[in-house]
Amino acid sequence: SYVLTQPPSVSVAPGKTARVTCGGNNIGDVSVHWYQQKPGQAPVLVVYDDTDRPSGIPERFSGSNSGNTATLTISRVEAGDEADYYCQVWHSSSDHWVFGGGTKLTVL
Amino acid sequence: ELQLVETGGGLIQPGGSLRLSCAVSGFTVSSHYMSWVRQAPGKGLEWVSIIYSGGNTYYADSVKARFTISRDNSKNTLNLQMNSLRAEDTAVYYCTSHGVGVSRYFHHWGLGTLVTVSA
Repeated sequence: SYVLTQPPSVSVAPGKTARVTCGGNNIGDVSVHWYQQKPGQAPVLVVYDDTDRPSGIPERFSGSNSGNTATLTISRVEAGDEADYYCQVWHSSSDHWVFGGGTKLTVL
Repeated sequence: ELQLVETGGGLIQPGGSLRLSCAVSGFTVSSHYMSWVRQAPGKGLEWVSIIYSGGNTYYADSVKARFTISRDNSKNTLNLQMNSLRAEDTAVYYCTSHGVGVSRYFHHWGLGTLVTVSA
């Protein structure tokens, strides 16, 4: 099965840039999607197809994907960005949908 | 307005069965890929099952042969029949809809329903 690896935690000061990584074997060959989940709430899609944002998601959220690492970048971080972030791909050979283990973003 | 509302969760003994439903408004369930995703307490997200718009279904290995996903087009609902439940099935179960067309992401999510498997 395909494994996605995320750091358990990332910390960043307000106004700075946060980068959350998602590692996987040749992940650059597939589309990666990112979700934000705040405590007690359902996840929210923030980036899809590597770089696209759903309507209503601030431009501060952006994504990139190449080689063995995909990255969610959050610019000008705000206190309200504190949440768990999950990456996700579709594994075509098994027709299974895979999530990373999640990264807790702490705003200092 | 697009809305997904899950019902049917609760406390169930190991080995028991439970049926979850997801009432959908704002679009037709048969026109989108629809999935169930679960989250055990304090854990990450886990995909459970998908039903494609064409009707094909797929399951995570952890639930295969125990869970069955289906949809009721007349009621515009998504269902998940869960049999032979185990303690490790304890989780919040989210109903999700994928994006338009051939979509590999979970676009819209319900608020979830909690399933607790315990004696």
